[in-house]
Amino acid sequence: KQEVTQIPAALSVPEGENLVLNCSFTDSAIYNLQWFRQDPGKGLTSLLLIQSSQREQTSGRLNASLDKSSGRSTLYIAASQPGDSATYLCAVISPLTGANSKLTFGKGITLSVRP
Amino acid sequence: EPEVTQTPSHQVTQMGQEVILRCVPISNHLYFYWYRQILGQKVEFLVSFYNNEISEKSEIFDDQFSVERPDGSNFTLKIRSTKLEDSAMYFCASRAGRITSYEQYFGPGTRLTVT
Repeated sequence: KQEVTQIPAALSVPEGENLVLNCSFTDSAIYNLQWFRQDPGKGLTSLLLIQSSQREQTSGRLNASLDKSSGRSTLYIAASQPGDSATYLCAVISPLTGANSKLTFGKGITLSVRP
Repeated sequence: EPEVTQTPSHQVTQMGQEVILRCVPISNHLYFYWYRQILGQKVEFLVSFYNNEISEKSEIFDDQFSVERPDGSNFTLKIRSTKLEDSAMYFCASRAGRITSYEQYFGPGTRLTVT
């Protein structure tokens, strides 16, 4: 059974700092990995999706990497801003149940960027 | 930009009552999902739906739950007799049918409160 872990649960950094959010998963046989942002009480906004054949994806100040063999992904945020404060969720799709496969989520990392 | 919509945004109901949560997936998407997030916990998969039938369901999705796509646009989740523990945020998601992309797009969620 796929398990996704995100540590630490919370992180506080000063504005302008570059930071890395970690995600690990137990089963390396994944189709892809998706990073989401969730603001308090709100829905999930997809940030980046990395397919299993890729090693990284970039969007603006965000860069996500994937190392399937070690079961890890990182989300790098450059020059953090107070507006980046949110919970960041990592989720994977495993092929065990076929093409309709569900996302398995980590619990998320709550990021606070201090002005 | 196309988006998944959900109604209502907040539903309060009494224990034992039936509720129907509604979703309008992105047009032309073929795969549909329901997830839920109990306060402070992980986002959990409930059910996936493709070609007018359930393709996968979790242990949570028992006989009290059902899904339906009554027309070409709506996708509903029904809980027949709500329990206190059904209180959660319910997210609908959809994805296109292209085999090369498994990116799921989420709606803003419906907060269900069972009293």
